[in-house]
Amino acid sequence: DARVTQTPRHKVTEMGQEVTMRCQPILGHNTVFWYRQTMMQGLELLAYFRNRAPLDDSGMPKDRFSAEMPDATLATLKIQPSEPRDSAVYFCASGLVLPAMLFGQGTRLTVV
Amino acid sequence: KNEVEQSPQNLTAQEGEFITINCSYSVGISALHWLQQHPGGGIVSLFMLSSGKKKHGRLIATINIQEKHSSLHITASHPRDSAVYICAADNYGQNFVFGPGTRLSVLP
Repeated sequence: DARVTQTPRHKVTEMGQEVTMRCQPILGHNTVFWYRQTMMQGLELLAYFRNRAPLDDSGMPKDRFSAEMPDATLATLKIQPSEPRDSAVYFCASGLVLPAMLFGQGTRLTVV
Repeated sequence: KNEVEQSPQNLTAQEGEFITINCSYSVGISALHWLQQHPGGGIVSLFMLSSGKKKHGRLIATINIQEKHSSLHITASHPRDSAVYICAADNYGQNFVFGPGTRLSVLP
């Protein structure tokens, strides 16, 4: 079965460190989403790309977060510097014809 | 007031029962998504609706655009349906607003 792969699955880091989360979308999918899930806020859309171009990243704190798609097989979400409030599960999802979004298993980030 | 609300927050049902989860929204949308999050955390997209009704197996989703309301129904519920169900308002793919989720437990 095709699946969206996210790495790492778990990350513990100290406040102030850079964190990079990676996502390998399904081959052929042209839309990639980054979501964040916390207990307090639930699911939030951070950014999404279509054909590798960022379409909307209004949900992302721009001063510390950045999202890129260097090529069609890789999407990255970086946080620099990380803060404890960034602790959450970060999901990547990809799709070709919505609603067939497929979600990755998520990266659980803990910033101490 | 949240832009997307769901009810109930928590729902416990006996296996075989008919289940309804409701979603109401106040934002303008092009479509309404229903997502299922399993106890392990994985998320599956169930439906995207812009009008009417869709059915997939034992799952049925309906939407009333005028009333800004959608429902997710599960017929003949089963313990494997236990999950968190989340609705999300989609503004032409530009903006997603998620509901808080409904936690469903189906007991054998």
